[in-house]
Amino acid sequence: AQTVTQSQPEMSVQEAETVTLSCTYDTSESDYYLFWYKQPPSRQMILVIRQEAYKQQNATENRFSVNFQKAAKSFSLKISDSQLGDAAMYFCAYRSVNFGNEKLTFGTGTRLTIIP
Amino acid sequence: GAVVSQHPSWVICKSGTSVKIECRSLDFQATTMFWYRQFPKQSLMLMATSNEGSKATYEQGVEKDKFLINHASLTLSTLTVTSAHPEDSSFYICSARGGTSGRAETQYFGPGTRLLVL
Repeated sequence: AQTVTQSQPEMSVQEAETVTLSCTYDTSESDYYLFWYKQPPSRQMILVIRQEAYKQQNATENRFSVNFQKAAKSFSLKISDSQLGDAAMYFCAYRSVNFGNEKLTFGTGTRLTIIP
Repeated sequence: GAVVSQHPSWVICKSGTSVKIECRSLDFQATTMFWYRQFPKQSLMLMATSNEGSKATYEQGVEKDKFLINHASLTLSTLTVTSAHPEDSSFYICSARGGTSGRAETQYFGPGTRLLVL
């Protein structure tokens, strides 16, 4: 079974600064998806970014980028130019590519606070 | 695109009654829907996976007779909490994905339903 670990329960960053959230995972599969989801106070889960394991290039979405280290099974999220609206719980998640096993395995989350 | 709605957003019920929560994919056909439960300050816990037209697959420890899931169409899945008790109070979230291959789209989440059982 796959596991996802987020070792930082809470993080804070000054507005406009850069912050990196850590995520490690364990799997015996060679191909899979990794995701970062954001859950603001409204509790709506929002997809931030996704990475396909067979792609070596790190995914980027505007101010959000990942550092995907497949051998180390590490998948960190970097938020540049942090904004007040980035304050939320951030969940790292793993998904198999195998049809019939598409469930997401979530980490325990990191609460990000933005300091004005 | 990829909008998922849930109804109701809030529900308060008496102990012993049943509550139905609807999850709809508004602009895509959801071949698979997922139901999660989230306790305060905790991560999401998958309860069950449902594919359109077939029985749901429940995660270990989830009572299928208590949490009835129906996925009767490609845009609608329902979760019924039967004979609800205070310990069933929680935040229930559904998600949906389209496509029929393992490389199909990401899961998109509904806004959640807060259930309070008195």
